[in-house]
Amino acid sequence: EDQVTQSPEALRLQEGESSSLNCSYTVSGLRGLFWYRQDPGKGPEFLFTLYSAGEEKEKERLKATLTKKESFLHITAPKPEDSATYLCAVQGANNLFFGTGTRLTVIP
Amino acid sequence: NAGVTQTPKFRVLKTGQSMTLLCAQDMNHEYMYWYRQDPGMGLRLIHYSVGEGTTAKGEVPDGYNVSRLKKQNFLLGLESAAPSQTSVYFCASSYQRGLALPNEQFFGPGTRLTVL
Repeated sequence: EDQVTQSPEALRLQEGESSSLNCSYTVSGLRGLFWYRQDPGKGPEFLFTLYSAGEEKEKERLKATLTKKESFLHITAPKPEDSATYLCAVQGANNLFFGTGTRLTVIP
Repeated sequence: NAGVTQTPKFRVLKTGQSMTLLCAQDMNHEYMYWYRQDPGMGLRLIHYSVGEGTTAKGEVPDGYNVSRLKKQNFLLGLESAAPSQTSVYFCASSYQRGLALPNEQFFGPGTRLTVL
């Protein structure tokens, strides 16, 4: 059965304290893995697409990596404005599945 | 560009009432989607469309209907609202052609619906 699991559910970091968010997936025929950021009361905002194992993408303090079983979103020296819920979504052969997200809080 | 817009932003219905949610996009995207988001659950696909005049069922289609009469608009209807349909509804669109690799989706700001 296709599924996406994100961990941890919530993460509190001090400003400048680097960490990683995990997205584990089981899917038939991976066609793409997406990371989105969602602020309270708003729609998800696209961050990255990864298509194959070994691929990496970077944007400012964020770096996304992909293996055959999971993806990591690394956050380097986070700032309070990085506080948001980060969603992972996996596109299989037939469907797109979203995880429940990791709620990140960065404390000044 | 406005991107993806949704109307209304908030709505309160009584059980049994009907309503239509409107989604519009100005990016000339082929694909459009309707999702619902509930606490503790990931975004779940209700219906989607791969082009003007076409619609298809997603993961949780029961109790909803959709129409895509124009490429830029995608309507979600609730014929007889139930409390279980209390949720936040998101519309999204993406550019997709044939067998191309899947593209990112662009989301609207959401509609918060409460059914009493």
